[in-house]
Amino acid sequence: SAVISQKPSRDICQRGTSLTIQCQVDSQVTMMFWYRQQPGQSLTLIATANQGSEATYESGFVIDKFPISRPNLTFSTLTVSNMSPEDSSIYLCSVVDQNTEAFFGQGTRLTVV
Amino acid sequence: QKEVEQNSGPLSVPEGAIASLNCTYSDRGSQSFFWYRQYSGKSPELIMFIYSNGDKEDGRFTAQLNKASQYVSLLIRDSQPSDSATYLCAVNGGDGGFKTIFGAGTRLFVKA
Repeated sequence: SAVISQKPSRDICQRGTSLTIQCQVDSQVTMMFWYRQQPGQSLTLIATANQGSEATYESGFVIDKFPISRPNLTFSTLTVSNMSPEDSSIYLCSVVDQNTEAFFGQGTRLTVV
Repeated sequence: QKEVEQNSGPLSVPEGAIASLNCTYSDRGSQSFFWYRQYSGKSPELIMFIYSNGDKEDGRFTAQLNKASQYVSLLIRDSQPSDSATYLCAVNGGDGGFKTIFGAGTRLFVKA
């Protein structure tokens, strides 16, 4: 299974600012995704990070709010822009291997004050 | 809207008992089915996957899949207090391609 390093592990941010979360995988992977897990909730898919092209966003998520970069097959970033307290959540990077099993980074716990 | 439904629980079982967790999914074309365990404050970890109808056993865990009924279950035998966690059902494939869609999770408490 792939080893996924995600940082920062946690942050406390002022409203109106932006935070960029990084995800590094120890091997080349085709499929990389970003999820959000709000307190007491399950995982909600934000977008599919596409290498060399614009990310594919799920309903309710837009590029202006959650810009994503994927410059190569081992790295991606998610930016949470113009943050509000409602963005307080855990953000998770995920990769899917050839067996369609999803593996996760350790997550970024974001608190917006 | 593709959905994965789980009873949120909490499900409480005594130590040594069998815990039974259930899940239904709406996308009939789904091809891969997973159970993840998530401890509080931690990321989900994969514990079982199943692709074919029937049962799949791994240690104390048994996953059951019935594609005709669009139903997946997880049985945990000889439940231990360390099994106390939230269990997430997830599906992949079908119209969603490689996107993994998660259920809301079932909280399991194993009482010592």
